[in-house]
Amino acid sequence: SQQGEEDPQALSIQEGENATMNCSYKTSINNLQWYRQNSGRGLVHLILIRSNEREKHSGRLRVTLDTSKKSSSLLITASRAADTASYFCASQGGKLIFGQGTELSVKP
Amino acid sequence: SAVISQKPSRDICQRGTSLTIQCQVDSQVTMMFWYRQQPGQSLTLIATANQGSEATYESGFVIDKFPISRPNLTFSTLTVSNMSPEDSSIYLCSASGALNTEAFFGQGTRLTVV
Repeated sequence: SQQGEEDPQALSIQEGENATMNCSYKTSINNLQWYRQNSGRGLVHLILIRSNEREKHSGRLRVTLDTSKKSSSLLITASRAADTASYFCASQGGKLIFGQGTELSVKP
Repeated sequence: SAVISQKPSRDICQRGTSLTIQCQVDSQVTMMFWYRQQPGQSLTLIATANQGSEATYESGFVIDKFPISRPNLTFSTLTVSNMSPEDSSIYLCSASGALNTEAFFGQGTRLTVV
């Protein structure tokens, strides 16, 4: 199977809470990326972390990468209802291979 | 960044027919890819579209079923041939300016085969 794994598969939180999503991948990588998808439409790139980086921030997003464990996490702080979407990690060692995704629901 | 236009955005097709999906990028890009996303699932890479040569297919995907063209640096097509209901999916075009950089996606083509 191409896909890596993500957990949880679904996450429901209240506005203002933090959301954490985890991702594991299978092969060595050059970078790991996170994407967002609304309602089965096109994906939007959120953040890219290179294999020699351990943590990266962008606005309310914080991404960590542990290459020894082949895992990454995405933290969204102070979530908003507009953050409701599916979130995918994608590992890149040449090709971009997507994880299974986490469906995030943020309730107002 | 790159803006990707994909068409059609959706179609309902009869089994046994073929559909060609077009992907146009607003700037020259190095890499173009085609993905399939089955209902409720993640994205699966079908193939890398190579300019001026045959596409590179992933395991489980073959040229006879998914012929791909890429005549230049900004345009590619994916054909879904001899369709069956199992081909009902969203098909997404993706492009990136260089290897190991962020990818941009079209809005996808939602295909239903009846």
